[in-house]
Amino acid sequence: AQSVTQLGSHVSVSEGALVLLRCNYSSSVPPYLFWYVQYPNQGLQLLLKYTSAATLVKGINGFEAEFKKSETSFHLTKPSAHMSDAAEYFCAVSEAGNQGGKLIFGQGTELSVKP
Amino acid sequence: ETGVTQSPTHLIKTRGQQVTLRCSSQSGHNTVSWYQQALGQGPQFIFQYYREEENGRGNFPPRFSGLQFPNYSSELNVNALELDDSALYLCASSQGQASTDTQYFGPGTRLTVL
Repeated sequence: AQSVTQLGSHVSVSEGALVLLRCNYSSSVPPYLFWYVQYPNQGLQLLLKYTSAATLVKGINGFEAEFKKSETSFHLTKPSAHMSDAAEYFCAVSEAGNQGGKLIFGQGTELSVKP
Repeated sequence: ETGVTQSPTHLIKTRGQQVTLRCSSQSGHNTVSWYQQALGQGPQFIFQYYREEENGRGNFPPRFSGLQFPNYSSELNVNALELDDSALYLCASSQGQASTDTQYFGPGTRLTVL
């Protein structure tokens, strides 16, 4: 069965520092991968998605992620953290050819940004 | 904002009761998916509706049921509520049912079961 693992339930960085949020997936077929952000008391907002085009995907708010098949990873990065980046981040996977568009989410990583 | 709306925002029910949650999809979208997000967890897929028919279901019991209407809005119904049903219920709409279609989420309905 598909699964998504996000290493680190809490990550804390200083403002201006590199943000690195880790995501590994297990899938028997080529997956599609997504990163969503959730601010307190809100729904999820799509940051970026990988759908088998370029392996380096650029998203909104300066975030990007690289699909590495050999490592089954899709880590999210941002060169310089802002206070407004503090939120919960979810990695999700969907299998190619999957009828029903089911997204499987990781447990989430809470990002804190210190001034 | 995604254009996906959900009502009500919050709801308190007691064990054994029934609840209906509503979702209006973004304009031009014909697919609605429902997710349950327990506190401190990632969302779990409940089911998806495509053009008024159920198009996929997660590991949830039959007391979780849904409907999609001709205008593509949707309802999630939960019967015989249990304490563990307390969660944030998220609705997401998309242009289609393909795995690559982006799902746009609403703000959610917070359900508390006492």
